[in-house]
Amino acid sequence: KNEVEQSPQNLTAQEGEFITINCSYSVGISALHWLQQHPGGGIVSLFMLSSGKKKHGRLIATINIQEKHSSLHITASHPRDSAVYICAVRSVNYGGSQGNLIFGKGTKLSVKP
Amino acid sequence: KAGVTQTPRYLIKTRGQQVTLSCSPISGHRSVSWYQQTPGQGLQFLFEYFSETQRNKGNFPGRFSGRQFSNSRSEMNVSTLELGDSALYLCASSPQSLATGYTFGSGTRLTVV
Repeated sequence: KNEVEQSPQNLTAQEGEFITINCSYSVGISALHWLQQHPGGGIVSLFMLSSGKKKHGRLIATINIQEKHSSLHITASHPRDSAVYICAVRSVNYGGSQGNLIFGKGTKLSVKP
Repeated sequence: KAGVTQTPRYLIKTRGQQVTLSCSPISGHRSVSWYQQTPGQGLQFLFEYFSETQRNKGNFPGRFSGRQFSNSRSEMNVSTLELGDSALYLCASSPQSLATGYTFGSGTRLTVV
């Protein structure tokens, strides 16, 4: 079982729909990141969370540390939101120091006009 | 403000050769990390440097190595290339600690033939 699981793997939506992408993890973490990757490879860091909720424009990210779960929401989706969304967690080493980044496999989102 | 610059953008090498990839972080960023992305394995963490010191290393063979210079520029080296090393290699920088957001470069696409 992967340490970071994302669902769904693929998602097709109509323009304007509300979208949710989920991320569950099984390790202790110091932070969780949501990344966006467009065709061609460029990666943009969307959010870094260690607790609660963050909002940027139409994007909202939440994290529940107790349940080891995070969600990325996109309101009023648009074709330009089409991309791969990747969840990554910063693990915590034995002793409490920050460890490696562990990535989910990504969710490929396609928003149709 | 210049972004994270990776050179070269594309590279074709023969099995058994070695390769050096370069990453220039955003001015003032002291942390540089490296990642490998393949269709099969997705994104995987290679290593992370802060102020010329390697802070974390992913689960890759010793053929993969890196270093960071006093101006925060970083290089990664892969020796004795294998076909499976064909991948997109991404570098990211962040201001100081590991707990801040990342800015990614566009990557170096390495093809081993």
